Amino acid sequence: QVQLVESGGGVVQPGRSLRLSCAASGFTFSSYAIHWVRQAPGKGLEWVAVISYDGTNKYYADSVKGRFTISRDNSKNTLYLQMNSLRTEDSAVYYCVRERWVLVVTWGMDVWGQGTTVTVSS
Amino acid sequence: QSALTQPASVSGSPGQSITISCTGTSSDVGGYNFVSWYQHHPGRAPKLMIYEVNNRPSGVSNRFSGSKSGNTASLTISGLQTEDEADYYCSSYTGSSTLVFGGGTKLTVL
Repeated sequence: QVQLVESGGGVVQPGRSLRLSCAASGFTFSSYAIHWVRQAPGKGLEWVAVISYDGTNKYYADSVKGRFTISRDNSKNTLYLQMNSLRTEDSAVYYCVRERWVLVVTWGMDVWGQGTTVTVSS
Repeated sequence: QSALTQPASVSGSPGQSITISCTGTSSDVGGYNFVSWYQHHPGRAPKLMIYEVNNRPSGVSNRFSGSKSGNTASLTISGLQTEDEADYYCSSYTGSSTLVFGGGTKLTVL
């Protein structure tokens, strides 16, 4: 079945780095843009970043721009989020989420992973 | 980019209809038809309920409908059921290759 599985979360000190991964299965990964969305404890959803189906276009929320990098390896059906200079406010459950349509970004997301938890704390 | 404005909570009885509003600006909700709605039961992955203002994905009940007027989008749930109790989030494209979510609305089915 169509599935996204995140991994790589954990506890990290402020200022350190972490890389999240998202393994896709059950669909043609290379045909879809993929987003990262996060939810801090007790807070709402926050969009983090998106990468186009072929990896050529990447866009970020202002809150992570310059610190986070989204990338993908279509040969491995895997999405990544490299998170540098982490702050306590980056603590959240991070979801990878598939775009609704192939090849384009229409900002609707139809397949969500279960999420991986990142805790930034000293 | 500020979050879209949603009521913190709404409630209704089984069988009733409720509407959740999502207010933005002409730079997001009012400017584009890329408004989506998500249902989120705590501890589970969010679920897409409406995309592009008023379209339902396959498998979503026709009790869920979306609309937009000016800078405000709305999600209406008719024939409320207990399993509809969840958090609901709207989202909108912002015109600068970014996405913004609403603050979320907790729906209680009394």
